[in-house]
Amino acid sequence: EDKVVQSPLSLVVHEGDTVTLNCSYEVTNFRSLLWYKQEKKAPTFLFMLTSSGIEKKSGRLSSILDKKELSSILNITATQTGDSAIYLCAYRGDQGGKLIFGQGTELSVKP
Amino acid sequence: DVKVTQSSRYLVKRTGEKVFLECVQDMDHENMFWYRQDPGLGLRLIYFSYDVKMKEKGDIPEGYSVSREKKERFSLILESASTNQTSMYLCASSPPLPHSPLHFGNGTRLTVT
Repeated sequence: EDKVVQSPLSLVVHEGDTVTLNCSYEVTNFRSLLWYKQEKKAPTFLFMLTSSGIEKKSGRLSSILDKKELSSILNITATQTGDSAIYLCAYRGDQGGKLIFGQGTELSVKP
Repeated sequence: DVKVTQSSRYLVKRTGEKVFLECVQDMDHENMFWYRQDPGLGLRLIYFSYDVKMKEKGDIPEGYSVSREKKERFSLILESASTNQTSMYLCASSPPLPHSPLHFGNGTRLTVT
């Protein structure tokens, strides 16, 4: 059975810290891996990764895929209280578009 | 910007009631999805649809059905609500392109008492 596992499930840090969130997957077909950020409402899209070793970056957030290790990490540098959210990792295994999600990592950034 | 609108933000229903959750998207997307989100379990796929009048079961379809009569609207139906269906329900849509992200609605928090 295909699955996505995220770790840690929750994390508390202080403003200014750097955090690394992990996502590992066991899937039969792989097309892409996506990261989302969810505050109180709709998950919002952060990154999509299809190729191993190529870092995607947006401001203080970055992500990279390792197909050999079947994993991805999401890094957030100089964290701010506005980074507090659930971070979701998902993979896409077929052409149709459905995503299979991990459990999510709940990040709390304290002032 | 893509807009996915779910008709209710909060809903309280009684056990045994028939419940309709409505989702409308305004970007002419072919693909639409229903997920439920529970603490510690992440998002789990209930049903999805790649075209009008088409539907496919996701990972947890038991106790649910769906309707897609128009391209922009995808309804989730709980035939007889039960307390274990208390959850956050998220609708999403995407175009039929291989590397398109899903666009989510704000969710409906359903409580079944």
